[in-house]
Amino acid sequence: KAGVTQTPRYLIKTRGQQVTLSCSPISGHRSVSWYQQTPGQGLQFLFEYFSETQRNKGNFPGRFSGRQFSNSRSEMNVSTLELGDSALYLCASSRQGVVEEKLFFGSGTQLSVL
Amino acid sequence: AQSVAQPEDQVNVAEGNPLTVKCTYSVSGNPYLFWYVQYPNRGLQFLLKYITGDNLVKGSYGFEAEFNKSQTSFHLKKPSALVSDSALYFCAVRDYYSSASKIIFGSGTRLSIRP
Repeated sequence: KAGVTQTPRYLIKTRGQQVTLSCSPISGHRSVSWYQQTPGQGLQFLFEYFSETQRNKGNFPGRFSGRQFSNSRSEMNVSTLELGDSALYLCASSRQGVVEEKLFFGSGTQLSVL
Repeated sequence: AQSVAQPEDQVNVAEGNPLTVKCTYSVSGNPYLFWYVQYPNRGLQFLLKYITGDNLVKGSYGFEAEFNKSQTSFHLKKPSALVSDSALYFCAVRDYYSSASKIIFGSGTRLSIRP
């Protein structure tokens, strides 16, 4: 069974640009969540989608948005990039999105903003 | 509001010695606690979780964790460390107040096992 797949693996953008990251969950998993990992801030929750609906959102500005498609694949978009958006972006999936389930993580997309 | 703290940025242990990685939490309701490990250039991997029941939870790769409600702690332990255990470890908590409870991660502890 294939794991969580994130594309692209690396991205280099300049300030002011926008970027879209993609996440394909494990087959049969309906919940997808996104996280930002930086050396200074650690691992921070961005948002979670379940059955194409955003179910929860972290404390990030509106420049960060996402969506989930009917096949559970998810995309995350960051508009008007800032230098501070440079980070490893991880997505995770779980079967039913209930609180006691473990999360399966992808390898992440490393975003560098110049 | 829920929170989780990992007081040590780094833990250094000699191979063969026992190891402990500390975690304390704060939630308003019942805590659901997790440990994840991250190897270089990889995503996180699930190690173990506490939902309810026995306070000592056993997980992958010989790791275990003890839930202590009075001290609001969930320390990760292993009786005999291996060099291959060197990685970044994250403690996480969810507060079950709804089906949409979000997960909060600690800042991570880098575990270094010397041969």
